[in-house]
Amino acid sequence: EAGVAQSPRYKIIEKRQSVAFWCNPISGHATLYWYQQILGQGPKLLIQFQNNGVVDDSQLPKDRFSAERLKGVDSTLKIQPAKLEDSAVYLCASSTRRRINEQFFGPGTRLTVL
Amino acid sequence: GNSVTQMEGPVTLSEEAFLTINCTYTATGYPSLFWYVQYPGEGLQLLLKATKADDKGSNKGFEATYRKETTSFHLEKGSVQVSDSAVYFCALSPPNDYKLSFGAGTTVTVRA
Repeated sequence: EAGVAQSPRYKIIEKRQSVAFWCNPISGHATLYWYQQILGQGPKLLIQFQNNGVVDDSQLPKDRFSAERLKGVDSTLKIQPAKLEDSAVYLCASSTRRRINEQFFGPGTRLTVL
Repeated sequence: GNSVTQMEGPVTLSEEAFLTINCTYTATGYPSLFWYVQYPGEGLQLLLKATKADDKGSNKGFEATYRKETTSFHLEKGSVQVSDSAVYFCALSPPNDYKLSFGAGTTVTVRA
């Protein structure tokens, strides 16, 4: 079974630029999550999708972050404009509806904002 | 609110040594408890879990017991290998909820 795929693996941008990350969850997983992991900290949930609907985006900084999951499969997370404090690893995870707290994580995208 | 506190690292051990990583939590009710592991260059993987008091989760020689009385879920392995070098995260999710709250992670390095 293929795991969660993410791209790119690394991205370096300057502050005020825009960036987008892509995630392809495990086939058949209805639930998709985006996390932000700042160096030295545990992952923090940004947004959760159930199929193509948003379940929880309470921790998403909506003035600059946006996410979508068209067709209930792939998802993109965008930052516009980026700030220095957005430097982090962005993790995508997915799970089935039955075992919703057993999440499978992708390798992450390491973002550096200069 | 819900939170997880785990032992600060980094931890450096010799092969075949005993490993313990402490984890304590704050939550209402009976959360589910997890240990995730992140090997270099890879995503987080679920290592083991426990969903109720006194449950013991185990996998790959690692064990952790859900202790309600001490609100703890310490991770142990009797004889570590170089391949166990990774970052270990303790996490919880509240009853009937999906949200995972993670600890800060503990970096473990095992030397040959």
